[in-house]
Amino acid sequence: EAAVTQSPRNKVTVTGGNVTLSCRQTNSHNYMYWYRQDTGHGLRLIHYSYGAGNLQIGDVPDGYKATRTTQEDFFLLLELASPSQTSLYFCASSVGAGTGQLYFGEGSKLTVL
Amino acid sequence: QQKVQQSPESLTVSEGAMASLNCTFSDRSSDNFRWYRQHSGKGLEVLVSIFSDGEKEEGSFTAHLNRASLHVFLHIREPQPSDSALYLCAVSSRQGGRALIFGTGTTVSVSP
Repeated sequence: EAAVTQSPRNKVTVTGGNVTLSCRQTNSHNYMYWYRQDTGHGLRLIHYSYGAGNLQIGDVPDGYKATRTTQEDFFLLLELASPSQTSLYFCASSVGAGTGQLYFGEGSKLTVL
Repeated sequence: QQKVQQSPESLTVSEGAMASLNCTFSDRSSDNFRWYRQHSGKGLEVLVSIFSDGEKEEGSFTAHLNRASLHVFLHIREPQPSDSALYLCAVSSRQGGRALIFGTGTTVSVSP
């Protein structure tokens, strides 16, 4: 069974704060993704990557940076957090994009005051 | 850009009755369709994946794809209260290796 681990699971910060969400997958998957989930919008793709050092822009990238340091680790960075970024963030991994089944982490709840 | 929409927004069914969920997509070249379930406060679990027109059954879940009409349905046979959750449709196209795009979800409540 695929394992995707996110941290922290809960984070509270203030407007303008700096936040890093971490994701690690232990299944040698090539692709990793960051989604945000908001009521009425479903899951929206922020960034994704198909390998270490690679970054692809998703549908809602504004205000977010991401970095894939190794095949296992994918980070989402909010350098100047805003209340509109209060959300539930999910990391996922897959063998391939589009064709591959996604394996999701448990989610990271971020609150920006 | 792919648009994925789900209906209804919420659905209440009695235990043991069939539940049917609808998902529409906009990109006719789409060829990868998945249904996920999310219990409150939890992550997503994949229920069934389908890649060609017709039906695909996984346990009590059946996906029905009709690409000509841009619809993919999920039928839940004899749902139990434990099936109460948010159900999400996800669609992608091999073209450009695009990631899965999700719908907004249908909240299903199964009453005993």
